[in-house]
Amino acid sequence: DAGVIQSPRHEVTEMGQEVTLRCKPISGHNSLFWYRQTMMRGLELLIYFNNNVPIDDSGMPEDRFSAKMPNASFSTLKIQPSEPRDSAVYFCASREAGASSTDTQYFGPGTRLTVL
Amino acid sequence: ILNVEQSPQSLHVQEGDSTNFTCSFPSSNFYALHWYRWETAKSPEALFVMTLNGDEKKKGRISATLNTKEGYSYLYIKGSQPEDSATYLCAFLRDNYGQNFVFGPGTRLSVLP
Repeated sequence: DAGVIQSPRHEVTEMGQEVTLRCKPISGHNSLFWYRQTMMRGLELLIYFNNNVPIDDSGMPEDRFSAKMPNASFSTLKIQPSEPRDSAVYFCASREAGASSTDTQYFGPGTRLTVL
Repeated sequence: ILNVEQSPQSLHVQEGDSTNFTCSFPSSNFYALHWYRWETAKSPEALFVMTLNGDEKKKGRISATLNTKEGYSYLYIKGSQPEDSATYLCAFLRDNYGQNFVFGPGTRLSVLP
């Protein structure tokens, strides 16, 4: 299995531009998570989906952030317009369908976003 | 706001030393605690899942214990090796659906040869 795939691995953009991060979960995993990692706040959960449905987006910082999961094998996290304070590493993780509390998440390699 | 704390923030030990660090979490409404190992430039990888008070888990030289009544878990590394250098994260599961995790800030371990 290729694991969780994220693209791009690195993104450098200018303030005000739209940024789209992509994630392909492990096949058969029906739960998908987006995290942001910063020095100040560590690893924060932004949003998670269960069977393509957003369950909890309370971690999404503001309206500039949106996430979609149009099908079981693809999700996007979009920032529009981007700001320098959005610079961080964004991780996607997936988990098996019907996972219990003992099942772990599998993380992708992350996308390092730099907004100039 | 749920607080999951880890201490120390960072740790430097010599190769061969044994070490341990702590994850503190809310003691009420406990569902599970997950430990992850996160090497620089890689993604976090699961180490242990702890669910029951008194749980002890072991993988090679690394082990973990759990006290849900007082809200802490210890991670131990026996005979540290340079390849153990990583950030160790704990994640507290905040609901019974197995989905909503709160991560601690991590303990960054450096093992010097």
